Amino acid sequence: KNEVEQSPQNLTAQEGEFITINCSYSVGISALHWLQQHPGGGIVSLFMLSSGKKKHGRLIATINIQEKHSSLHITASHPRDSAVYICAVSGDMNYGGSQGNLIFGKGTKLSVKP
Amino acid sequence: NAGVTQTPKFQVLKTGQSMTLQCAQDMNHEYMSWYRQDPGMGLRLIHYSVGAGITDQGEVPNGYNVSRSTTEDFPLRLLSAAPSQTSVYFCASSYGGGVGTNYEQYFGPGTRLTVT
Repeated sequence: KNEVEQSPQNLTAQEGEFITINCSYSVGISALHWLQQHPGGGIVSLFMLSSGKKKHGRLIATINIQEKHSSLHITASHPRDSAVYICAVSGDMNYGGSQGNLIFGKGTKLSVKP
Repeated sequence: NAGVTQTPKFQVLKTGQSMTLQCAQDMNHEYMSWYRQDPGMGLRLIHYSVGAGITDQGEVPNGYNVSRSTTEDFPLRLLSAAPSQTSVYFCASSYGGGVGTNYEQYFGPGTRLTVT
């Protein structure tokens, strides 16, 4: 079983739709990252969070530590949001994780049609 | 700031050849890491470093060597290239300050390597 699972694997949306990408993990963590990989291959950090909720523009990330689950929401989606979104967790040694290394999900490929 | 830079962007090697992928950052980050990305798989950690002179193995270290003589540079050496090392390689850095992965990660643009 993968330690970080993302769903869905692929997502197609119409411009303007509200989008949710989910991430579940099975290890204790000290932080969770959401990354965006552009079609050209570059990877940028969107959020790093360890509790609660963060918002940046049209993007919102939430995390529920008890349920070991995080969501990335995109409001009013736009074709320029088309990318692969990657969830990664930083293990917490105190809870059986491997502290210091990131464990990555396989990514969710989002395509937003105009 | 240039951020994290990687060279080359593309490379083709023959089986058995050796080469070094370069990675540099100008943000004075302590934590640096190398990942490989293969189709259908998540990024996998090859080696990482928590500061100059300190390196450690990640999930898939076989066939790769690293060194960290300065804070800025973290080269990845392929000792004897094999077709299984065909992949896209990303270098990343972060502030560190204890556990490097508890901070925002900055990625280089990637190196696409093909081994024939």
